[in-house]
Amino acid sequence: NAGVMQNPRHLVRRRGQEARLRCSPMKGHSHVYWYRQLPEEGLKFMVYLQKENIIDESGMPKERFSAEFPKEGPSILRIQQVVRGDSAAYFCASSPLPALELAGGEQYFGPGTRLTVT
Amino acid sequence: QQQVKQSPQSLIVQKGGISIINCAYENTAFDYFPWYQQFPGKGPALLIAIRPDVSEKKEGRFTISFNKSAKQFSLHIMDSQPGDSATYFCAASIGGSYIPTFGRGTSLIVHP
Repeated sequence: NAGVMQNPRHLVRRRGQEARLRCSPMKGHSHVYWYRQLPEEGLKFMVYLQKENIIDESGMPKERFSAEFPKEGPSILRIQQVVRGDSAAYFCASSPLPALELAGGEQYFGPGTRLTVT
Repeated sequence: QQQVKQSPQSLIVQKGGISIINCAYENTAFDYFPWYQQFPGKGPALLIAIRPDVSEKKEGRFTISFNKSAKQFSLHIMDSQPGDSATYFCAASIGGSYIPTFGRGTSLIVHP
């Protein structure tokens, strides 16, 4: 059973370009979470999605950031008009059950996408 | 406001020694405290977790100690091995919440 897959693993964008990060959850998982990790910082929650629904986007910046999890295909985190402050590692996690049924730890993380904005 | 404070930021231990990482929290509503292990280039992986109804939980060489009155919890790695070299994150969440609050991480290096 493959784990959570993220691509690309490394992404370099110039300021003003768009960044698209993809996440394929574990087989059988229909709940996806995106986190951002700045250097020497812990993970910060961004958004929680189920298939075709955004459940909680309270951690998502109000502008330039969007996320989707279509019925078919991977979840995508999109950052428009990137700035240097967007440089970070972006992690996706998935779970098999609705979030409120979890004990709080049963999220499985992908290897992350390291975004560098030049 | 940092709700979960983790220390030290980095830790160097000799093989066979004990590694101790401490965390303190502010929100008394937290009732689930997981620890994550992250190797370079990898995502975090759940290592061990505890709820406040117990003061200690042990899994192999890894032990969580929990002090509810002090709002502190710590990870102890006994007989530390070079393969334990990684970044460790403590976290805290409120029952049923899927949004853990993470500490800033501790980079552990175990010398052979």
